[in-house]
Formats: sequence, structure tokens, C-alpha cells
Amino acid sequence: ETGVTQSPTHLIKTRGQQVTLRCSSQSGHNTVSWYQQALGQGPQFIFQYYREEENGRGNFPPRFSGLQFPNYSSELNVNALELDDSALYLCASSPRSDPYEQYFGPGTRLTVT
Amino acid sequence: GEDVEQSLFLSVREGDSSVINCTYTDSSSTYLYWYKQEPGAGLQLLTYIFSNMDMKQDQRLTVLLNKKDKHLSLRIADTQTGDSAIYFCAEGPGSGTYKYIFGTGTRLKVLA
Repeated sequence: ETGVTQSPTHLIKTRGQQVTLRCSSQSGHNTVSWYQQALGQGPQFIFQYYREEENGRGNFPPRFSGLQFPNYSSELNVNALELDDSALYLCASSPRSDPYEQYFGPGTRLTVT
Repeated sequence: GEDVEQSLFLSVREGDSSVINCTYTDSSSTYLYWYKQEPGAGLQLLTYIFSNMDMKQDQRLTVLLNKKDKHLSLRIADTQTGDSAIYFCAEGPGSGTYKYIFGTGTRLKVLA
């Protein structure tokens, strides 16, 4: 039981467009991380937010940006979509009591055409 | 560089033990993790081990860590058909970073 939800479940966008993906974690989870999982691959770390500030970033360009809100929700924004951005996007939240545990949401499947 | 490697496939018979192996590169990683992913779903945290430990047991799951060789294994006792899934090994966070590195996953198939 993770209590992490993501929306939408599936999304189709056109190359060059912008997209916003949403994540809602449970009360007490003050750290959220976002991952990109391409088909047949493991998740790739995009960035992490802690107390509404970016806390660390993986090898992703600036067109990937995020926000974390006081109500334990967060957003991943991707500008100027490319075909290679097609993937499953996962958010994971960590409880204040154990920041090294990550609980994943079910993901948003993004297809860029 | 940063890399976590796993074998791609493992097939076992129901009731047997499964052993999934993983090698990692960042010796500064604080924790090593095992996650399970079923088709169309997110990742489920199975267990994790602090980098200073050698072994952790949690019901049917046993994690062994050889820090010298940077080798991690997950043993599932009495494997059931419901254990069929993709298993990911992950390391992190490393020194001065909040980054977690995942392997490419091992697909476990349990034969009835």
C-alpha cells in the first residue's frame, strides 16, 4: 500500500508540444523523485524534490522541470517533446521517517508521435 | 561510471528457490534495493539493505551483499507463480548525490 497516485494514466502528445504529469503522495512524504522508464529498461532518475526545492538531478536536459507543492503533490513538466521522450514516467515519494525508502506510483505512459 | 548490471532472464519451477544477481559500481552507495514490477504497474519496494550489512532476511526473501565484489543477490524461497515479474536492483544514494541507479531488470518466469 503506497498511497502514491499519478495522473493521467496514459497520454499521447505530438513532437514539440509540452506536457505536465502529476503525482500525489501521502501525508508525511516530503521527498519526491521522478523517473523515466523506457520500454525494456530500468528507471532513469530525472530529479528529486525536497521541501519544494530541487535536491538533485540526473542526466536530463533543462526542458525537464518540476514542482513540488505543500500538499504533497508534485508535477513533472516536459517542454519541446521529442520522440525519445516516449516512456513510462514514475514518481516515487519517501516518508519523512525514512527518506531512503521510495514508494512508487503506477506511472504515466507518455507516447510522443 | 555508474552502472548496475543484471542478467535478463531467469526461469524456475514452482516451489524451487530463485536467485537473482546484480553487480553495481558505486561503492559509496548508502543502500542497495530490490524492487518488483508486474506488467503495466509501478515498482514495488521488496526489501533493501544498508551497505554495511552482509545479509538481510525478510520472510521468503534473503538479500546477500558482497561489498568487496560489489555483488548483490536476492533469493526467493519457495517461488510461486505470483512471483513472476521483473526484478530491479538499485543502488543509492551515493556520496554527495541523491541519485538512485537502477539495473535493467531480470525477468523471472515461474513454471507451474
